[in-house]
Amino acid sequence: EDKVVQSPLSLVVHEGDTVTLNCSYEVTNFRSLLWYKQEKKAPTFLFMLTSSGIEKKSGRLSSILDKKELFSILNITATQTGDSAVYLCAAGGTSYGKLTFGQGTILTVHP
Amino acid sequence: DTEVTQTPKHLVMGMTNKKSLKCEQHMGHRAMYWYKQKAKKPPELMFVYSYEKLSINESVPSRFSPECPNSSLLNLHLHALQPEDSALYLCASSQEVGQGDYGYTFGSGTRLTVV
Repeated sequence: EDKVVQSPLSLVVHEGDTVTLNCSYEVTNFRSLLWYKQEKKAPTFLFMLTSSGIEKKSGRLSSILDKKELFSILNITATQTGDSAVYLCAAGGTSYGKLTFGQGTILTVHP
Repeated sequence: DTEVTQTPKHLVMGMTNKKSLKCEQHMGHRAMYWYKQKAKKPPELMFVYSYEKLSINESVPSRFSPECPNSSLLNLHLHALQPEDSALYLCASSQEVGQGDYGYTFGSGTRLTVV
């Protein structure tokens, strides 16, 4: 059975801090690893990673994948209160169309 | 239009009611999905439609009945639900099923409460 595990489950920081969120996966015929940010309702897409060692960046967020060790990290630098959300990691494998999600990391950024 | 629109946003229904959730997208996506998300849990896949045909049913109870009348519309018909079915129901779409990994677009969800 495909499995995605995120750590930590929750994190409380102050504005300006840098955070690293972790995601490990065991997925048959792995194809891609995705990161989403979820606030009140719909998850919003952040990154999709398919190749090892290539960093994806978007503003203060960046992510990288290690296909040998089966994990990914999401970094957020100079955190802001607007970064407070649940960050979800998901992996796509054998079953086309299906994403297996991790439990999420709840990030709280205090002013 | 780069959105997936779900209606209603909130729904309260009794265990004997029949109701439907609606999802619409006009991005020309040919794959559409229903996910269920319980409080403080990740989304779990329920159904996948590809070119208006059901391609994945994740052993969902028959009280949930999906329907894809056309390429832009996806419905989820609900009948005889249980209180434990209360959750956020998320619809998503992608260009093709094989490209679903490349970032779904999620709708904002329907928060369902079964009383």
